Amino acid sequence: GENVEQHPSTLSVQEGDSAVIKCTYSDSASNYFPWYKQELGKRPQLIIDIRSNVGEKKDQRIAVTLNKTAKHFSLHITETQPEDSAVYFCAASSLSGGGADGLTFGKGTHLIIQP
Amino acid sequence: EPEVTQTPSHQVTQMGQEVILRCVPISNHLYFYWYRQILGQKVEFLVSFYNNEISEKSEIFDDQFSVERPDGSNFTLKIRSTKLEDSAMYFCASSVGNTIYFGEGSWLTVV
Repeated sequence: GENVEQHPSTLSVQEGDSAVIKCTYSDSASNYFPWYKQELGKRPQLIIDIRSNVGEKKDQRIAVTLNKTAKHFSLHITETQPEDSAVYFCAASSLSGGGADGLTFGKGTHLIIQP
Repeated sequence: EPEVTQTPSHQVTQMGQEVILRCVPISNHLYFYWYRQILGQKVEFLVSFYNNEISEKSEIFDDQFSVERPDGSNFTLKIRSTKLEDSAMYFCASSVGNTIYFGEGSWLTVV
């Protein structure tokens, strides 16, 4: 089955600086890579996703890059703000038919924004 | 914005008891899922459900677990005989196409 590794487990950055979280996956059949943000005691919320036919996607301060050959993908957050503090999870799955197979999550990165 | 809703938000149960967690997926979604998250750990896939049957399940989803869509709106997860290690947050999710949306979760404590 799929295995997703995520690094680092904790990341502390100064407010206004950039943060980068990296993930690798093992199954070359995976073609869908979402990123979720989870605040303490809350549900995971999708913040951005990318499919394997695209190398990069950006949404305001958030961007995701995908390297299919190396099987790794990264989340980039620029101009970090205190409200970005949360646990971020990467995930991988394959899209088939009309929906996604079960997501395999990484272990999460606790992002801490220092004021 | 439509949301996945779950009940109960928190349940405490005795070891060995049966538990049913309930979910109402987003109305036009076709795929339904259950995930769990043990405190402080990653989110783990349990099962996916499409067209009134299980489409995929993980190793965690053993014979003690079952899912059902008893009517047109609800999607349930049953744990037949709970164990201490079943204590976790259980998230229901649904999707149409690529994007999976999670409910707020049901926190299960087995004592």
